[in-house]
Amino acid sequence: DAGVIQSPRHEVTEMGQEVTLRCKPISGHNSLFWYRQTMMRGLELLIYFNNNVPIDDSGMPEDRFSAKMPNASFSTLKIQPSEPRDSAVYFCASSMTGVIGNTIYFGEGSWLTVV
Amino acid sequence: AQTVTQSQPEMSVQEAETVTLSCTYDTSESDYYLFWYKQPPSRQMILVIRQEAYKQQNATENRFSVNFQKAAKSFSLKISDSQLGDAAMYFCAYRSVIQGAQKLVFGQGTRLTINP
Repeated sequence: DAGVIQSPRHEVTEMGQEVTLRCKPISGHNSLFWYRQTMMRGLELLIYFNNNVPIDDSGMPEDRFSAKMPNASFSTLKIQPSEPRDSAVYFCASSMTGVIGNTIYFGEGSWLTVV
Repeated sequence: AQTVTQSQPEMSVQEAETVTLSCTYDTSESDYYLFWYKQPPSRQMILVIRQEAYKQQNATENRFSVNFQKAAKSFSLKISDSQLGDAAMYFCAYRSVIQGAQKLVFGQGTRLTINP
């Protein structure tokens, strides 16, 4: 079975540009999470969806960040305009809520560098 | 809010030896899940082992086992017969079973080095 698929794997962009990160969760999973990892802050949850509905977006840093999940098989995280402090690894993860084990599976991450 | 603490920023062990990574957590919930994830230099997050809080038996996955002490809110990871491929960052994580609060809360991580 395919795991969580993220794109792009690496992106280098200039400050002020729009960045869109994409995620395809594992088929059949109904919860989707966006995490950000930096040296200073570690792994922090940005937002999570359950059945395509945002449940907790308290981790979204500011209005420059937005996330959507138009259907069960696709989600985007957008940064506009991007800033150097947004440089990080962004992980998408998914799980099937209610299944015994309740494990969250991660994609390989999108490495973002804003110069 | 739940918190997870890993008090060992770095650990090292000789190849083939055993090492234990510590994790404590704080919660008022009685049912929850605990996880250990491994992050090698590739940065991929790989599930190592999970534990359901309602289960008294400690989880085991091959060379990996946990010591789950619910009353003490402690969840340590033991790696037996350490191998060079075990070198990575290890993250302890907590997950609530409450609807709407099922995010993973991570500790700060422990960097494990394996000495040949």
